Amino acid sequence: TQLLEQSPQFLSIQEGENLTVYCNSSSVFSSLQWYRQEPGEGPVLLVTVVTGGEVKKLKRLTFQFGDARKDSSLHITAAQPGDTGLYLCAPQQGGGADGLTFGKGTHLIIQP
Amino acid sequence: NAGVTQTPKFRILKIGQSMTLQCTQDMNHNYMYWYRQDPGMGLKLIYYSVGAGITDKGEVPNGYNVSRSTTEDFPLRLELAAPSQTSVYFCASRAGEWWETQYFGPGTRLLVL
Repeated sequence: TQLLEQSPQFLSIQEGENLTVYCNSSSVFSSLQWYRQEPGEGPVLLVTVVTGGEVKKLKRLTFQFGDARKDSSLHITAAQPGDTGLYLCAPQQGGGADGLTFGKGTHLIIQP
Repeated sequence: NAGVTQTPKFRILKIGQSMTLQCTQDMNHNYMYWYRQDPGMGLKLIYYSVGAGITDKGEVPNGYNVSRSTTEDFPLRLELAAPSQTSVYFCASRAGEWWETQYFGPGTRLLVL
């Protein structure tokens, strides 16, 4: 059974600050997805990372997949209130139709 | 473009009652999924389907049943509701390959008293 940890569990910062959240596991993954979930809604895919060491940028969000493909980080530059939400990582261990395994997520609040 | 729709949005059940959570997608996706999300937790997979007539169990299938008679619809059935089934239920769909986006519905909030 894979152990998947997201940290921190909760984070509240001021608008304009930078932050990093983490997704760590004891298992090696073939790929990893990050989702954002806003209150009362379903998760929405932000990015998929596939290659060890891969870095992807989505405006002010930077995603990195660890070299060993066991961990990932999400860095937000100059956070805005619109970034508020639950950030979930969902690693994948291969192909197939299996559904996703999610971490517990990081609850992020950006205060104006 | 509706995407994935779920009904009802909210429901209160008494212990032992049954109900069906509806899920429909209009993207002609082969793969469909049911997840539950408990407070403070990530989503856990209940059942999934790779096409009409084909379903399989996920991580937490006990107490639930599913069917997939059409590509569009994937209902989730609770036969004997229990307080442990109080949760938010999300349906999702995916076109095909594992790297493709999984699209989620808005969720159904279920309270079992």
